[in-house]
Formats: sequence, structure tokens, C-alpha cells
Amino acid sequence: DQQVKQNSPSLSVQEGRISILNCDYTNSMFDYFLWYKKYPAEGPTFLISISSIKDKNEDGRFTVFLNKSAKHLSLHIVPSQPGDSAVYFCAASVRNQGGKLIFGQGTELSVKP
Amino acid sequence: GAGVSQSPSNKVTEKGKDVELRCDPISGHTALYWYRQSLGQGLEFLIYFQGNSAPDKSGLPSDRFSAERTGGSVSTLTIQRTQQEDSAVYLCASSLPYRPEAFFGQGTRLTVV
Repeated sequence: DQQVKQNSPSLSVQEGRISILNCDYTNSMFDYFLWYKKYPAEGPTFLISISSIKDKNEDGRFTVFLNKSAKHLSLHIVPSQPGDSAVYFCAASVRNQGGKLIFGQGTELSVKP
Repeated sequence: GAGVSQSPSNKVTEKGKDVELRCDPISGHTALYWYRQSLGQGLEFLIYFQGNSAPDKSGLPSDRFSAERTGGSVSTLTIQRTQQEDSAVYLCASSLPYRPEAFFGQGTRLTVV
């Protein structure tokens, strides 16, 4: 049972344009959501997070949007840069149940110069 | 060290042998996770330790897999009688008490031949 789903395995974007990565979840108990970035042969690195009491969180070029009614979140990267090329994972947790992170399958982003 | 440290970085073993993978979390991090990523797949949750609570073992794929965390710090993931389908990158992560943002190590690439 895949509780966190990233339905697009890959995305290609032109440098300078917006990248939009999507994530859906099924467990309405999730109350905290995170995005991680992973380069080949490295561990994932934390990028940005959002609590379920908010619908938007912004950090520089990265913005995460949360639509609780649709059980959907998205990561926007503006403007996209070639160095953003990586696999992006969304993750979710239920904080009052210990905060175990459940990850999606990942979306490979390629930003072309 | 400053980050999560995993050893070995690479391990090749023969089918049927036992292997031990080690994880040194960030000092002061009470939560510790093990995940694995098989080729072309997402991050599969294996086990979660949070302080002195009983570990969440719900992700362990079979009874050949076990993990310990000694003294609330170092963790060892043991796979007995390895099979070819166990080949994957095994990732360890740690986080502050009840903080969902987990920090990952570089992973151990396990190859069962």
C-alpha cells in the first residue's frame, strides 16, 4: 500500500523556467511533509518542509504548496538551474506517532541549459 | 563526525552469507532510521528507532533482517542468509527528538552475487 505517491518518474525542464514536482498521499493522518533531493551515489538531503497547518512555505527558489482537501503537495523551483538536476523525493509523517518518514518513489528532474 | 556515517560504503557478498551494516548517527539525534533503495525504486522504510521506545520494525521484509541500536547511538542492520533480491543501497538517517527532518548518510551499496 503506497501511502505517498509520485506519479511522474521523470521531468525535463529548460534552464530558467519553473519546475513543478507533484506528490499525492492517501493517509489523512499525515501532518508534516518534506522534500528531499538526491544526487547519484549520495544520500538524500533535506530541502524544504511544510506543516499541515500551512498551505505554502517558501525558501529562496523553492516553494512547497499543500492542498489538504486534495491530499496533494507540490514543489516549485523557480528559476530552475542545471545544478537542480537530481531525484526529488517527497515524504510524509505523523508527528505525534513518532515522526516516521514515508517516502514516495521519486521524480528525476533534468534541467537542460 | 558532523554527519551520519555508514560503513562499509560498498559490500559484495555471496548468496547465503550474513552481512552487517553499521550506522553512526549525528550526536544528540535520538531518532534513527534504516531505509533501502533498490535499483530504480524509491526509498523503502525498514525500521525506526526513537529514543528508548520499542523500535518500529514494520518495514522489515523478512525475518532474515534485524537491527539493533546499542546505547542509543550506533546501529547495526544484519541480514542473514543473503539473497540476490537483497541487493540495494541501504541508507541510514537520524533526526532530533520528534523532528521529522532526518539527515541521511551516504549509504552502503550491498551486492549479493
